Amino acid sequence: EVQLVESGGGLVQPGRSLRLSCAASGFAFDDYAMHWVRQGPGKGLEWVSGITWNSGRTGYADSVKGRFTISRDNAESSLYLQMNSLRAEDTALYYCAKDRHYDILTAPDYWGQGTLVTVSS
Amino acid sequence: EVVMTQSPATLSMSPGERATLSCRASQSISSNLAWYQQKPGQAPRLLIYGASTRATGIPARFSGSWSGTEFTLTISSLQSEDFAVYYCQQYNDWPLYTFGQGTRLEIK
Repeated sequence: EVQLVESGGGLVQPGRSLRLSCAASGFAFDDYAMHWVRQGPGKGLEWVSGITWNSGRTGYADSVKGRFTISRDNAESSLYLQMNSLRAEDTALYYCAKDRHYDILTAPDYWGQGTLVTVSS
Repeated sequence: EVVMTQSPATLSMSPGERATLSCRASQSISSNLAWYQQKPGQAPRLLIYGASTRATGIPARFSGSWSGTEFTLTISSLQSEDFAVYYCQQYNDWPLYTFGQGTRLEIK
């Protein structure tokens, strides 16, 4: 069974940093590209970032480009999102999600339950 | 950036009825479109990818179709568990993948 468990969320002040983690199990992690998708309180879904199986290709939404960095450790079956210079509008539930492919990013087919990030002073 | 526009915002229907949800792309995205279902307090679930291919384990009552930049999700006979919010997502415009704003399917 595919499992994705996010962690690292919490309350953080504007301008500070936070690192999210996603522990994957139940599938060959290094065979798939991965995503981060977020959902603000009471809002819709927003794609944040994606990374291919070997980290050869990464991409970011314009709203986070230059502030967020996605990475992965295939040996640890883990996905990360380093979030710097956080803003109030980054407040959201952050989902880790698995793609159906390894070398391109398409539509995620499995999602974790999310970790909540709140940016407030 | 490709803008995805879903309609209607809310759809009120009864169990057993046929539901049709729409999603329009602001420019061509080929068939690079997915549909997700999200219930309160749960993560999204992939229903359809490639505009018309059902994901693993998705019942046959869910189907997707498209013409040009107009995409449709049809639920042939609504079950009680189908009442939820539905999102479309385009994955053609790398890396600016975008979601629609969602359609809430509620019980009439």
